Amino acid sequence: DIQMTQSPSSLSASVGDRVTITCRASQSISSYLNWYQQKPGKAPKLLIYAASSLQSGVPSRFSGSGSGTDFTLTISSLQPEDFATYYCQQSYSTLGGITFGPGTKVDIK
Amino acid sequence: QVQLQESGPGLVKPSGTLSLTCAVSGGSISSSNWWSWVRQPPGKGLEWIGEIYHSGSTNYNPSLKSRVTISVDKSKNQFSLKLSSVTAADTAVYYCARGLVVVAATHFDYWGQGTLVTVSS
Repeated sequence: DIQMTQSPSSLSASVGDRVTITCRASQSISSYLNWYQQKPGKAPKLLIYAASSLQSGVPSRFSGSGSGTDFTLTISSLQPEDFATYYCQQSYSTLGGITFGPGTKVDIK
Repeated sequence: QVQLQESGPGLVKPSGTLSLTCAVSGGSISSSNWWSWVRQPPGKGLEWIGEIYHSGSTNYNPSLKSRVTISVDKSKNQFSLKLSSVTAADTAVYYCARGLVVVAATHFDYWGQGTLVTVSS
């Protein structure tokens, strides 16, 4: 199975801050990495797919980069509605199963 | 706009079978997408359970494979999950989601609202 890790597990930030979240895969997953945002009591929302492609309707302050084993999600200027938990997800091998990272909670400083 | 809606019992007894259905509207389940189940225990992260294609082909999470069955009913535009021999560890919010495949990679672009299933006697 491909294991996913995220860092940090949580962070505190202020509105307007630049925020970077890292996701690492236990083996190369090419660019098969997606990012989701989840708010309490709600379903996850797709932000970025294929490592760097912005999902339709998602603000351009969100961006993704990386390939192989190391990936980042960047929020260029944190907005009040961005306080949430962020998950990465790999789909390199459905034989081993689609897996999610453990999540990064972004809260207000 | 594709919409997904989970339904099923909110309480299941230990050792019993959890059964959920996901109704798809605004699109055909026979489109070129995979249809998945994802769960989230209270206060914890997301776990992919498995997926099905309209042809009936399935892929399952290896850690759950022995207990999971996912099926599709094209006539009703819905797919279903059965998880057997449940324990308290299977208590979670269960989501259904559409898996869009782009260049051989799957991402989930539409999700149901989720339904809480509690395993308790």
